[in-house]
Amino acid sequence: EVQLVESGGGLVQPGGSLRLSCAASGFTFSSYEMNWVRQAPGKGLEWVSYISSSGSTIYYADSVKGRFTISRDNAKNSLYLQMNSLRAEDTAVYYCARPAQPYGDSPYFDYWGQGTLVTVSS
Amino acid sequence: AIRMTQSPSSFSASTGDRVTITCRASQGISSYLAWYQQKPGKAPKLLIYAASTLQSGVPSRFSGSGSGTDFTLTISCLQSEDFATYYCQQYYSYPLLTFGGGTKVEIK
Repeated sequence: EVQLVESGGGLVQPGGSLRLSCAASGFTFSSYEMNWVRQAPGKGLEWVSYISSSGSTIYYADSVKGRFTISRDNAKNSLYLQMNSLRAEDTAVYYCARPAQPYGDSPYFDYWGQGTLVTVSS
Repeated sequence: AIRMTQSPSSFSASTGDRVTITCRASQGISSYLAWYQQKPGKAPKLLIYAASTLQSGVPSRFSGSGSGTDFTLTISCLQSEDFATYYCQQYYSYPLLTFGGGTKVEIK
């Protein structure tokens, strides 16, 4: 059974940092590109970041570029999001999401984690 | 960036109704469009990809159509479990993805 389990969310002050993790199981993690998607309270979905299966190619939404860093450890079946210089507008539930097929063939998401809430407030 | 605009943003409907949700892209995206359903407190669920292909396990009352810039999600006979928020997502510019703003389907 495919599982994605996020952790690391919490309350942080503006300007602070937080590192999210996503533990993957039930599939060959190293074959799949992975993404982070977030959802502010009562708002819609916003794509945040992408990382290729090897970790060599990375993209970010303009809203987080220069502040967030995506990474992965294929040996640990884990995805990460390092978030620095956090702002109130980064407050959201953060989901890790897996594409339906490996190797970039199907960039729509058939598995999502349960999400982890990040609250940026003083 | 490609912008995705959904309409309406919300509406009320009754069980048994046929409902249609529209998604418009700011530029042509061929058929690189997916639809998701999200219920409160839950992660989104994939319904349709490639604009009209039903994800495995999704009831056949859901259907999608369109290509280029204009797309629709139709629920042929609304069931109680279908009251939720629906999102479109373009993947034409993958890895740079964008979602529509969402359409909330409420009980009349």
